[in-house]
Amino acid sequence: DQQVKQNSPSLSVQEGRISILNCDYTNSMFDYFLWYKKYPAEGPTFLISISSIKDKNEDGRFTVFLNKSAKHLSLHIVPSQPGDSAVYFCAASGGTSYGKLTFGQGTILTVHP
Amino acid sequence: GAVVSQHPSWVICKSGTSVKIECRSLDFQATTMFWYRQFPKQSLMLMATSNEGSKATYEQGVEKDKFLINHASLTLSTLTVTSAHPEDSSFYICSARTSGSVLDTQYFGPGTRLTVL
Repeated sequence: DQQVKQNSPSLSVQEGRISILNCDYTNSMFDYFLWYKKYPAEGPTFLISISSIKDKNEDGRFTVFLNKSAKHLSLHIVPSQPGDSAVYFCAASGGTSYGKLTFGQGTILTVHP
Repeated sequence: GAVVSQHPSWVICKSGTSVKIECRSLDFQATTMFWYRQFPKQSLMLMATSNEGSKATYEQGVEKDKFLINHASLTLSTLTVTSAHPEDSSFYICSARTSGSVLDTQYFGPGTRLTVL
């Protein structure tokens, strides 16, 4: 039972343009969401998070949007840079998994120069 | 930022041997550490939650006698894969939470690649 889903396995974007990564969840008890960036053979690096009391959180080039009614969140990267190329995971916490993270499958982002 | 280290970064062992992986929080105290494994092209799967000074809580389907977890101090947790077999080959990653709040961000170590021959 995949409670957190990233339906796009990959995304290709031109440098300078916007990258939008999407994530859907099924557990309505989730109330805290995070995005991580991961390079091969390395651990995930925290990017940005959002709690369910907000619908938007911004940090530099990264903005996360949360639509609770649709159980959907997205990560916007503007402008995209070649160094952003990596695997992006969304993760959720809450309900019976309070304090533990449930990860999506990841989306491979490639930013072309 | 919060830094988490893991040692070793990679290990190759023979089937039947045991392997210990260390996870350290370098610049903060971690009351809770987590152990994940990742198979190629798959997501991170939580194995167990480790609280300092108490027994680890294992996720469903994870054998606690096979994956021994010790969290003896606020900066160190260890995962021992006992009697390792080729199917245990995987990428093992630990994370640490910066405080006791469940909403605090988890910071991840660089991972350990285990290959069992």
